[in-house]
Amino acid sequence: EVQLVHSGAEVKKPGESLKISCKVSGYSFTTYWIAWVRQMPGKGLEWMGIIYPSDSDTRYSPSFQGQVTISADKSISTAYLQWSSLKASDTAMYYCARLMRGSGWYALAFDYWGQGTLVTVTS
Amino acid sequence: QSMLTQPPSVSGAPGQRVTISCTGSSSNLGAGYDVHWYQQLPGTAPKLLIYGNNNRPAGVPDRFSGSKSGTSASLAITGLQAEDEADYSCQSYDSTLSGSVFGGGTKLTVL
Repeated sequence: EVQLVHSGAEVKKPGESLKISCKVSGYSFTTYWIAWVRQMPGKGLEWMGIIYPSDSDTRYSPSFQGQVTISADKSISTAYLQWSSLKASDTAMYYCARLMRGSGWYALAFDYWGQGTLVTVTS
Repeated sequence: QSMLTQPPSVSGAPGQRVTISCTGSSSNLGAGYDVHWYQQLPGTAPKLLIYGNNNRPAGVPDRFSGSKSGTSASLAITGLQAEDEADYSCQSYDSTLSGSVFGGGTKLTVL
């Protein structure tokens, strides 16, 4: 069974750093792209970026380039999303999702999703 | 402002048919990129409903169907049920952004 399991909810202060995780199981971690998606309170889904764990090829949305870092550790089948300096506007639910297998990552849908990590940034 | 535009809300009575539109542009749907649809029940993660314009993953009822033409796409739900009340989002690729884009989401209310 394919599973993507997020790390727990976080409450942080502005300016603090944070790294959240998404541990996958039930399939070969290195052969599927993994995406990170943001959902701010009461808002729609936003694509942040993707990573191919086999070679750590990473692509970012222009809106998130330089704001976050996406990484992966093949040895423990885990993808990460990290911030060096959080802002209140980073308060949101963050989902990891697996892209379906196929040619051209840009054409692929997200077929499995994690349960999400709620990040709250407040002073 | 999302690059894919959806109506904020739609509604229908049980048993009825509703459609949700997703309007894009020449840099996404109009460029031939596939559209995918997701259902998000309250308080849960999104779930893939339709992929590749009109394909249903295993387990998705055939009451759900998708179509795409030019710069627009639609999700149709027939035989509306109370359990269909959720947010629905479309997603595609945009060549200007060089990344995936989502519509703003549509809240479906079953009257």
